[in-house]
Amino acid sequence: GESVGLHLPTLSVQEGDNSIINCAYSNSASDYFIWYKQESGKGPQFIIDIRSNMDKRQGQRVTVLLNKTVKHLSLQIAATQPGDSAVYFCAETPSQAGTALIFGKGTTLSVSS
Amino acid sequence: NAGVTQTPKFRVLKTGQSMTLLCAQDMNHEYMYWYRQDPGMGLRLIHYSVGEGTTAKGEVPDGYNVSRLKKQNFLLGLESAAPSQTSVYFCASRPGTGTEAFFGQGTRLTVV
Repeated sequence: GESVGLHLPTLSVQEGDNSIINCAYSNSASDYFIWYKQESGKGPQFIIDIRSNMDKRQGQRVTVLLNKTVKHLSLQIAATQPGDSAVYFCAETPSQAGTALIFGKGTTLSVSS
Repeated sequence: NAGVTQTPKFRVLKTGQSMTLLCAQDMNHEYMYWYRQDPGMGLRLIHYSVGEGTTAKGEVPDGYNVSRLKKQNFLLGLESAAPSQTSVYFCASRPGTGTEAFFGQGTRLTVV
């Protein structure tokens, strides 16, 4: 079936570096693509979303890029901090499934000082 | 404002036993979701609801049932628990517009 997935299960960076987390998706009909952050022992938290008719959206220290040609989504975190260490999930809202919210498998980001 | 509250936080069941997980939200959200999270598998959608009295199947609905009799509550039932249902279960809610879902703290269920 169609799914949202991530390229790499783990990513290690140094504090202050920029991080790029990638996600490949297969459902071209999704309305929105979203990034969530999950810290250990907690539920996921919303970071940022992007509508399917956009290719870039910026937030505070984060940027999401959407490349519909190759069905690729990325999350860029500027000046990564130890508090950014978490599991990052991309998610989508498949339009044909109405209001379902489907998640990918996640990337674990480790930030060392 | 409590947000999304899941009850219980931990539970151990014997194979074949039944139980109900409760999710309550106080944000007047239309949509509610139940996920399970297993190592290396991410979050998989079990069932969801778009409003009071409605439910829909997600990616992995087998072995689970749900009900949404009141807008603020979404119940997940296991009629006959199996070891394969050992997992961490998360409930989430979100408003009818927008993509920001709010998650509970999770329920760790072990079936022995």
